[in-house]
Amino acid sequence: DGGITQSPKYLFRKEGQNVTLSCEQNLNHDAMYWYRQDPGQGLRLIYYSQIVNDFQKGDIAEGYSVSREKKESFPLTVTSAQKNPTAFYLCASSWSKGTDTQYFGPGTRLTVL
Amino acid sequence: GENVEQHPSTLSVQEGDSAVIKCTYSDSASNYFPWYKQELGKGPQLIIDIRSNVGEKKDQRIAVTLNKTAKHFSLHITETQPEDSAVYFCAASGGTNAGKSTFGDGTTLTVKP
Repeated sequence: DGGITQSPKYLFRKEGQNVTLSCEQNLNHDAMYWYRQDPGQGLRLIYYSQIVNDFQKGDIAEGYSVSREKKESFPLTVTSAQKNPTAFYLCASSWSKGTDTQYFGPGTRLTVL
Repeated sequence: GENVEQHPSTLSVQEGDSAVIKCTYSDSASNYFPWYKQELGKGPQLIIDIRSNVGEKKDQRIAVTLNKTAKHFSLHITETQPEDSAVYFCAASGGTNAGKSTFGDGTTLTVKP
C-alpha cells in the first residue's frame, strides 16, 4: 500500500514532557509538512521541508522541532516549551513545492494531561 | 503573505439541493487552488483542484470556479447526498511563498436526508 502514515493515532503525555510524533511516506515525495488543527479551526502550518536535511518554519513553529534525515520520514517533536500542545496533528507530503496536491496522513491526536 | 478567507463556516442543505462554498485570497501570484474534504477524525483528502490558467473545472457532481481578477474561487456541489457531510477546506499556493499552501478555516457541510 502506498501512502502516508502517522503513529500513534492517540497519544497522551504529562505536562512538561517532550513527545515525538511519527510521519512516514512511501510516495517518493520530496516535500513534507506538519499542521496543527484545533477544534472547529483550520490547518495551521508548523514546519515544512522541501528536501532532505532542510526545513523551514511555518506560521506556528514555536515550541516544536523537526528533522528530515530521510526522504520518507519527517518526525515532529512537541517540546515542553509549547504552551498549549493538546491538538490534532496532521502530516502531509507532496511531489515538490506548495503548488502540488498535498496527501495527508490520518492524524495523531495528542492530549497533554 | 497569503491570506485565505472561507465562507460560510457552516452550511446546512437538504439532500438533493446544491451547496456553494466561497474563498477569497490576497496574493495575486497564487496559481494553485485545491479543495479538500475532511471526515470526522481523519486527514483531509483532495476532491478537486484548479490552476490559474483555467476558469472552471468539473468532476461529476463537484465543480470549482476561479475568478483571478476578483481573487476568489468557489466549490459547487450539486445533488448533495448525506455522505457529502464533512468539513471542506480551500487552499491557495504558488504565490510569494511558493513552498507552502495557505488554508481557509473550513466549512462544515451538513446534508439532511
